[in-house]
Amino acid sequence: GQQLNQSPQSMFIQEGEDVSMNCTSSSIFNTWLWYKQDPGEGPVLLIALYKAGELTSNGRLTAQFGITRKDSFLNISASIPSDVGIYFCAGITGTASKLTFGTGTRLQVTL
Amino acid sequence: ETGVTQTPRHLVMGMTNKKSLKCEQHLGHNAMYWYKQSAKKPLELMFVYSLEERVENNSVPSRFSPECPNSSHLFLHLHTLQPEDSALYLCASSERRGERVGETQYFGPGTRLLVL
Repeated sequence: GQQLNQSPQSMFIQEGEDVSMNCTSSSIFNTWLWYKQDPGEGPVLLIALYKAGELTSNGRLTAQFGITRKDSFLNISASIPSDVGIYFCAGITGTASKLTFGTGTRLQVTL
Repeated sequence: ETGVTQTPRHLVMGMTNKKSLKCEQHLGHNAMYWYKQSAKKPLELMFVYSLEERVENNSVPSRFSPECPNSSHLFLHLHTLQPEDSALYLCASSERRGERVGETQYFGPGTRLLVL
C-alpha cells in the first residue's frame, strides 16, 4: 500500500529558528495537505497544495508540492513557542477517501 | 473553531459496555469520516460516508458500527471493545463532488477512548 515517510520524526529548536520538514513517497499524489495537531486535539489544516510545483504560504508557513508529485515540504520561519505540536503531511490520490497520512514530525521549541 | 464537533471528548468504558460517539459538522459538507489514531501510528481511516451512504469500510471489526442519519451527523456505536481499541477517534468532513479529487478534510477535536 501507499506509505508516506515523514522526516524528521522530531525536532528540538530554539525560538526564532527556521524549521524544515518533508514528506516523501514512492507513489504519486494529486493533492498534498499539511496539518498540525496539538495534544488532545484533532489535526488542523495548515496548507493545501493541488498542483505539482505549487508553492503556498500561510503566515510564517510555506509549503511546496514537489515536481515529481512524490514529495512535499513544509517550512516554518522564525518559530515561536505556539508552533509546538505534531505536524502531519497527508496525500490524496484517486477519490478523496484515499487520504494517506505520514507518521508526523514532533516539534519542540525552546526559549 | 473548525466547524466539526465531537462528543464526548473523553470516554472510559468496560469491555462489556455499549457506548456511542457523536460527530456533527456545521460546514455544509456532504462526506464524513471516522479515523482512529493510536500512539506512534499514522491516522487510520475506518469509515467513509458520502451523501449519507457508506462508501468505504477499511475492514474494521464489527464491534465498531457507524451510522450516518443525515449529512451533518455521524455516529460510531461501540460494543464489546477490547483494550487495544483505546485510542483517539477523530471525525472529519469534506465536500465531495462526484469523483473529483482534492477535497480537503476538516477534523473534529476527537474523542479520547480508554477501554478497561
